[in-house]
Amino acid sequence: DARVTQTPRHKVTEMGQEVTMRCQPILGHNTVFWYRQTMMQGLELLAYFRNRAPLDDSGMPKDRFSAEMPDATLATLKIQPSEPRDSAVYFCASGRDRPEQYFGPGTRLTVT
Amino acid sequence: RKEVEQDPGPFNVPEGATVAFNCTYSNSASQSFFWYRQDCRKEPKLLMSVYSSGNEDGRFTAQLNRASQYISLLIRDSKLSDSATYLCVVPSLMDMGRRALTFGSGTRLQVQP
Repeated sequence: DARVTQTPRHKVTEMGQEVTMRCQPILGHNTVFWYRQTMMQGLELLAYFRNRAPLDDSGMPKDRFSAEMPDATLATLKIQPSEPRDSAVYFCASGRDRPEQYFGPGTRLTVT
Repeated sequence: RKEVEQDPGPFNVPEGATVAFNCTYSNSASQSFFWYRQDCRKEPKLLMSVYSSGNEDGRFTAQLNRASQYISLLIRDSKLSDSATYLCVVPSLMDMGRRALTFGSGTRLQVQP
């Protein structure tokens, strides 16, 4: 049963620290998405890759967030410096040139 | 108007009841629609895809009304395990060719014994 994996599952850090979240998409999927979910905002799209190329990162605060796909099996989302308002659950999802997306278990980030 | 709107609920129903949620969308060009289920503190999981007028899978039926721009999810004979938040999803306005999705804020269902 193929699944998207994400690490770490939980992260607690202090304001100003760098946070790196990793995602391994399902093998054979060519689209990768990063979402952020909070109680107030629901699910927000942060970044979107297709065949490792970034197609849309308009939902991401550019000054502190960055997303990359160094290879087809790894996507990263980095926050530097982190702020308390970044506290949320960050989901990675992957797909295969179809609208359906399959989500990883998420990284629960707390910035104090 | 929001791209995707849902009644947040909660819908509290007894076991065995039939319950329906509606979702309205603003992009009249959308061709596909989805329902995801999200359990508390878990990731969203694809429940149903709707590419034509509707789709049925066991106790779950999704229907599309293009004229009124809404989709519905009907759950028959509800079980305790159906308790979750149901997210309505449509392709986003600016990304029709890129397959990015816009998620509604979800409708919470609580099935009670």
